[in-house]
Amino acid sequence: KNQVEQSPQSLIILEGKNCTLQCNYTVSPFSNLRWYKQDTGRGPVSLTIMTFSENTKSNGRYTATLDADTKQSSLHITASQLSDSASYICVVSGLTGGGNKLTFGTGTQLKVEL
Amino acid sequence: SQTIHQWPATLVQPVGSPLSLECTVEGTSNPNLYWYRQAAGRGLQLLFYSVGIGQISSEVPQNLSASRPQDRQFILSSKKLLLSDSGFYLCAWSTRHGNSPLHFGNGTRLTVT
Repeated sequence: KNQVEQSPQSLIILEGKNCTLQCNYTVSPFSNLRWYKQDTGRGPVSLTIMTFSENTKSNGRYTATLDADTKQSSLHITASQLSDSASYICVVSGLTGGGNKLTFGTGTQLKVEL
Repeated sequence: SQTIHQWPATLVQPVGSPLSLECTVEGTSNPNLYWYRQAAGRGLQLLFYSVGIGQISSEVPQNLSASRPQDRQFILSSKKLLLSDSGFYLCAWSTRHGNSPLHFGNGTRLTVT
């Protein structure tokens, strides 16, 4: 069964600090992995998307890594800001006969405090 | 630029009443369209997706239905709501490319009382 597990479930950090969120998956065959940011009461917004051949991808203060061998990904946030407070969702796309099928993690709830 | 509109933002409906949630996309043609439901503490669950007008695929058996009367319009409906239909409903679109990200609307918070 395709699964995506994220850790930690929630995280509180001080403004200006760095943090790393983890994503482990069992989706196979693998197509790509995406990280989304979801503010409370809003729809998720795409941060990064990585294919099998990509090990790292950055989007401003967000850097995602992918190890397709161990089926792990991380999202590193540098110099956190209050506006980074949100849920971060890992989504893995698997190849099926009918196209790509997405499996969603349950998210890591990040709170950045003063 | 492309935009996606979803309404209403919140909705409170009694059990047994009908439902109609609308989603429209602007600035793109022939998008793939999706309806997701997000329950607290759980990942997004795909309810329906559509690759074209009148083409609807259902992922899970349920009390809901979807329709796509126009290329950029996607509607989620129910004839009689159940308490278990309460949740946060998200509409999304993507291009036909396999690695295209999903672009989500801001969701509808549905409470069935």
